[in-house]
Amino acid sequence: NAGVTQTPKFQVLKTGQSMTLQCAQDMNHNSMYWYRQDPGMGLRLIYYSASEGTTDKGEVPNGYNVSRLNKREFSLRLESAAPSQTSVYFCASNLAGEHNEQFFGPGTRLTVL
Amino acid sequence: AQTVTQSQPEMSVQEAETVTLSCTYDTSESDYYLFWYKQPPSRQMILVIRQEAYKQQNATENRFSVNFQKAAKSFSLKISDSQLGDAAMYFCAYRRGQRGGADGLTFGKGTHLIIQP
Repeated sequence: NAGVTQTPKFQVLKTGQSMTLQCAQDMNHNSMYWYRQDPGMGLRLIYYSASEGTTDKGEVPNGYNVSRLNKREFSLRLESAAPSQTSVYFCASNLAGEHNEQFFGPGTRLTVL
Repeated sequence: AQTVTQSQPEMSVQEAETVTLSCTYDTSESDYYLFWYKQPPSRQMILVIRQEAYKQQNATENRFSVNFQKAAKSFSLKISDSQLGDAAMYFCAYRRGQRGGADGLTFGKGTHLIIQP
């Protein structure tokens, strides 16, 4: 049981390049989330997927797209990376239920030059 | 929109002593959940404790306990008998209820806890 996994762990991009961050969970969770963490800030929600087949914008969705590929996988795409997107990205998931906690992946450190 | 405020960027405590981390939040909802997460240097987010807003009793998990004051919208974390392994960033987080747990979390900016040996 690996929990929530993210690939890659580190990535350096040039401005304007595109890339997809991958996230998978093996806990049969319904909901999945993407957050970003900037220095001196808490995590901020980018997008989430309450269940397979649905996605919704969070607090900071501009410049990102997501795909809930199946129940296990939820990817985050940067179509044209900008230096402002330099951050640590976390994927999380939780089982349906009011009191259930979110489990987080190890994060991806992305630098855009 | 809901907001979460942690007014202490950094706290320091002697090993074996007690420390309290502050958190206030603003919401118009009556049904919600509050969490404290720990983030050590490894970057992994670890749930420390959770509190349901409808419960009056403060949550406790071993050395960790909360003081939940719903009317004041305050949710502080008390760590007793501090240990070196408690050194980390601590984040307070809020989640709206009545959505089957599907909503994302709103985080504060965090408190860096230093444990002095």
